[in-house]
Amino acid sequence: GENVEQHPSTLSVQEGDSAVIKCTYSDSASNYFPWYKQELGKRPQLIIDIRSNVGEKKDQRIAVTLNKTAKHFSLHITETQPEDSAVYFCAAYYETGANNLFFGTGTRLTVIP
Amino acid sequence: GAVVSQHPSWVICKSGTSVKIECRSLDFQATTMFWYRQFPKQSLMLMATSNEGSKATYEQGVEKDKFLINHASLTLSTLTVTSAHPEDSSFYICSARSPDRASGYTFGSGTRLTVV
Repeated sequence: GENVEQHPSTLSVQEGDSAVIKCTYSDSASNYFPWYKQELGKRPQLIIDIRSNVGEKKDQRIAVTLNKTAKHFSLHITETQPEDSAVYFCAAYYETGANNLFFGTGTRLTVIP
Repeated sequence: GAVVSQHPSWVICKSGTSVKIECRSLDFQATTMFWYRQFPKQSLMLMATSNEGSKATYEQGVEKDKFLINHASLTLSTLTVTSAHPEDSSFYICSARSPDRASGYTFGSGTRLTVV
């Protein structure tokens, strides 16, 4: 099955700086890569996703890049704000079997005012 | 957009009792739902895939007789934790694939189970 690795596990940045979270996946068949933001005790919220036919996608301060050859994808948050503080999970998915998401281990982002 | 409702949001039960958690797709039909467990400061671990009208598919290491899953309709899946023990205390969360494939997966609000 798919194996998704994520790092760093914790990340602290000053408000206004950029944050980058990286993930790798093992199955070259994976073709959908979402990123979720989870605040304490709440459900994961999809913040951005990318499909394997695209190399980069941007939505305001958030961007995701995908390198299919290297099997890694990254989340970039620019001009960070305190409300960006949360746990971020990457995930990978491929259309076979049960079609479930495979999650990375999570990154706890803290934005220091 | 696609909404998944999950309840209860939290429950406290005594050891040895059973607890049922419900997951409903409110505005779409979900033939497949997924149940995850999340321990503090850890990632979401898939427990099982719930298939409408058929048996659930359990991940390795998950006891199917302890975590009973029923997906009797296209809008409801239930997870019953039987004979609960303190080590079953966790955050349980369900998800379903949104009918709009561009929207990805939608998660329920989660259930925090505490077994005392």
